[in-house]
Amino acid sequence: AQSVTQLGSHVSVSEGALVLLRCNYSSSVPPYLFWYVQYPNQGLQLLLKYTSAATLVKGINGFEAEFKKSETSFHLTKPSAHMSDAAEYFCAVSERAGGTSYGKLTFGQGTILTVHP
Amino acid sequence: EPEVTQTPSHQVTQMGQEVILRCVPISNHLYFYWYRQILGQKVEFLVSFYNNEISEKSEIFDDQFSVERPDGSNFTLKIRSTKLEDSAMYFCASRLNGQVSGTQYFGPGTRLLVL
Repeated sequence: AQSVTQLGSHVSVSEGALVLLRCNYSSSVPPYLFWYVQYPNQGLQLLLKYTSAATLVKGINGFEAEFKKSETSFHLTKPSAHMSDAAEYFCAVSERAGGTSYGKLTFGQGTILTVHP
Repeated sequence: EPEVTQTPSHQVTQMGQEVILRCVPISNHLYFYWYRQILGQKVEFLVSFYNNEISEKSEIFDDQFSVERPDGSNFTLKIRSTKLEDSAMYFCASRLNGQVSGTQYFGPGTRLLVL
């Protein structure tokens, strides 16, 4: 079974600092990988996804993530944090086509990002 | 921009009561999902639905749960006899087509509290 681990349930950075949110997955075959963001009282919004094209994926709001097969990682980064980035971030995986899944997402436990002035 | 909507935003119910959580997926989407998140825990998959039938369900989705697309626009999750442990945030999601890599669009959730 697939699993996703997000290291750090809370991350705090200063405005303008680098944001690094960690995600590691466990799967025998590299899955599809997603980062979602949840702002207060809103649904989960897709930031970016990896589906086997370029390993460095750019998303919305200046975020990007790099798929590293050797490390089974898909860490999310942003060079310069903004106050509006404060939210909860979820890493998720889904099994590749041809598996037994119909696209269900398996989520990590989430990381709350706090940005202070 | 089209979005997934869910009603109600909050629901309080007594243990043993039936609840129906409603979702309106994005209109041309074909795949539908329910997830839940118990406070402090991971978002968990419950069920996927395509072509008017369940395509996959988790072990959480037992006989107390059912899903339905009654009228071509709504997608509902029914819990027949709620338990305290059903208290959670329930998210509906929809996806356009059969591409497993396709984006799932999530609604804002319904917070269910069972007393």
